[in-house]
Amino acid sequence: KNQVEQSPQSLIILEGKNCTLQCNYTVSPFSNLRWYKQDTGRGPVSLTIMTFSENTKSNGRYTATLDADTKQSSLHITASQLSDSASYICVVSGGSNDYKLSFGAGTTVTVRA
Amino acid sequence: DTEVTQTPKHLVMGMTNKKSLKCEQHMGHRAMYWYKQKAKKPPELMFVYSYEKLSINESVPSRFSPECPNSSLLNLHLHALQPEDSALYLCASSQGTGGINIQYFGAGTRLSVL
Repeated sequence: KNQVEQSPQSLIILEGKNCTLQCNYTVSPFSNLRWYKQDTGRGPVSLTIMTFSENTKSNGRYTATLDADTKQSSLHITASQLSDSASYICVVSGGSNDYKLSFGAGTTVTVRA
Repeated sequence: DTEVTQTPKHLVMGMTNKKSLKCEQHMGHRAMYWYKQKAKKPPELMFVYSYEKLSINESVPSRFSPECPNSSLLNLHLHALQPEDSALYLCASSQGTGGINIQYFGAGTRLSVL
């Protein structure tokens, strides 16, 4: 059973609009949560990483939040650009093997002009 | 420099061929990883090297053989692959294997097995 669930599976937004992606996890014990951006056919690129004590972290137009009590995270994209079209993957580190990352299935974002 | 370089970018091979994928990083990272990613699926961990020694093999078939010649290089030797092995193969590296260590991914090798 996947321990990291993401929603929605995909979404389409107009250029300049904002959107929010959701991630729920059950990985325990929890070490940290990362959001990666993956362009089609390319490797994932780290956007943010948050530990238990961090509630929010920004990277340019990307802002991630973490609620460790409810085991939920979100990634907010502000003023979307065409280059934001990609898959966004929530990745949680922890569990019985700290080296092993638990990947969500990703949310595919398509930004249209 | 946060770059992990993988070669080749694309590879087509027959089921009887022997080929190798290469990965290189110069960030001084001591942990390196191989992942396999099928279309529209998350990456699946295959192998973990720590300090040039194989520390984790996620029950990968023996037709995949990893090698770490030195701390900057990681190879994946391929032999007698099956069509279902066609996928994007990702290499990653991190400072260490635990806790807060961020894994930096390469662009991947797109492998097609005919």
